Amino acid sequence: AQTVTQSQPEMSVQEAETVTLSCTYDTSESDYYLFWYKQPPSRQMILVIRQEAYKQQNATENRFSVNFQKAAKSFSLKISDSQLGDAAMYFCAYRTFYNQGGKLIFGQGTELSVKP
Amino acid sequence: EPEVTQTPSHQVTQMGQEVILRCVPISNHLYFYWYRQILGQKVEFLVSFYNNEISEKSEIFDDQFSVERPDGSNFTLKIRSTKLEDSAMYFCASRGSDRDSPLHFGNGTRLTVT
Repeated sequence: AQTVTQSQPEMSVQEAETVTLSCTYDTSESDYYLFWYKQPPSRQMILVIRQEAYKQQNATENRFSVNFQKAAKSFSLKISDSQLGDAAMYFCAYRTFYNQGGKLIFGQGTELSVKP
Repeated sequence: EPEVTQTPSHQVTQMGQEVILRCVPISNHLYFYWYRQILGQKVEFLVSFYNNEISEKSEIFDDQFSVERPDGSNFTLKIRSTKLEDSAMYFCASRGSDRDSPLHFGNGTRLTVT
């Protein structure tokens, strides 16, 4: 079974600085999808960025980018120029490529605070 | 942009009562899901639904839980006899038919069992 681990329960960053959130996963599959979701205090689940394992290039969405290391099974999220609105819980998630209706498997989350 | 709609946003019920949580997925989506998040914990998969039947369910999804898509638009989660430990945020989500399509979440229903 696949697992997702986020080893940083809490992180803090100064406004305008850069922060990296870590995520590792375990799978025997060769193709899959990885995601980062943001959950602000409203508890809405917002997709931040996604990565297809069959793509070598790291995904980027504006200030958000990932460092996908397939061999190491690592998928970190880098937030550049952090803003107060980035403060939230961040969840890393995995989905299999082989089952089209496959579920998301989430990590435990990292609570990010942004200091003004 | 179309979105997944969940009602109610907050439901308070007494232990032992039945509760139905409602969701309207995005209209052309084919895959539907329920997730649960106990306060301060991670998001846990409950059940997935495709082609009018359950395609996968977790250990949490026992006989007290059921899902239904009664009219082609609503997707409901029923808890027959609620327990205190069922208190959580319940998220509905849906996906399109394309393998690469992302999961769209509703805003959740906060269930409080007293």
